[in-house]
Amino acid sequence: EAQVTQNPRYLITVTGKKLTVTCSQNMNHEYMSWYRQDPGLGLRQIYYSMNVEVTDKGDVPEGYKVSRKEKRNFPLILESPSPNQTSLYFCASSLSTVGSQPQHFGDGTRLSIL
Amino acid sequence: GDSVTQMEGPVTLSEEAFLTINCTYTATGYPSLFWYVQYPGEGLQLLLKATKADDKGSNKGFEATYRKETTSFHLEKGSVQVSDSAVYFCALSMFSGGYNKLIFGAGTRLAVHP
Repeated sequence: EAQVTQNPRYLITVTGKKLTVTCSQNMNHEYMSWYRQDPGLGLRQIYYSMNVEVTDKGDVPEGYKVSRKEKRNFPLILESPSPNQTSLYFCASSLSTVGSQPQHFGDGTRLSIL
Repeated sequence: GDSVTQMEGPVTLSEEAFLTINCTYTATGYPSLFWYVQYPGEGLQLLLKATKADDKGSNKGFEATYRKETTSFHLEKGSVQVSDSAVYFCALSMFSGGYNKLIFGAGTRLAVHP
């Protein structure tokens, strides 16, 4: 089954404790992206990757890191999480960056930073 | 810059009622337009899309027409069901910074009652 898998689905942690949210896709997609979803703001892009070893900042990259060492994986790293990073996070992938290509989303990771 | 504006929710309807969720966009070029749906506890799923003016996207009884003259992409369904209760996101894909960027509206929550 074609899917984007995120882990964990839920995490409660404390300020400053490094965490990683994993994302993996099995569709051989080139393009992957991370978003955060906050009430009234829709989804905002954090980072994206157009291919292996190619990553770039989205609209809200502060406080986050990513890496793309393999095509299928695109982890999101919070080196020193803060309460303002409490949010619902989504990983997405698409075959390419052609405008008409839809993105496929994971089920989300709800992070609470205390 | 490019943006998407959706009608605020929540929208509350009785089963079999007619649904319209308004969406307008601002873009400097010719974007592709999408509606995504998010069911409780899940990620976003593509509902329908349109890639050029006057195109009509349709799926599961939902329709939306790409109106360039009014920069709109309103979502409609003739008879909603309880199972349509979800959050609906309008989005555009626009070439920006070397790739096609997906920009979301804030989302509209739909609640359908029996």
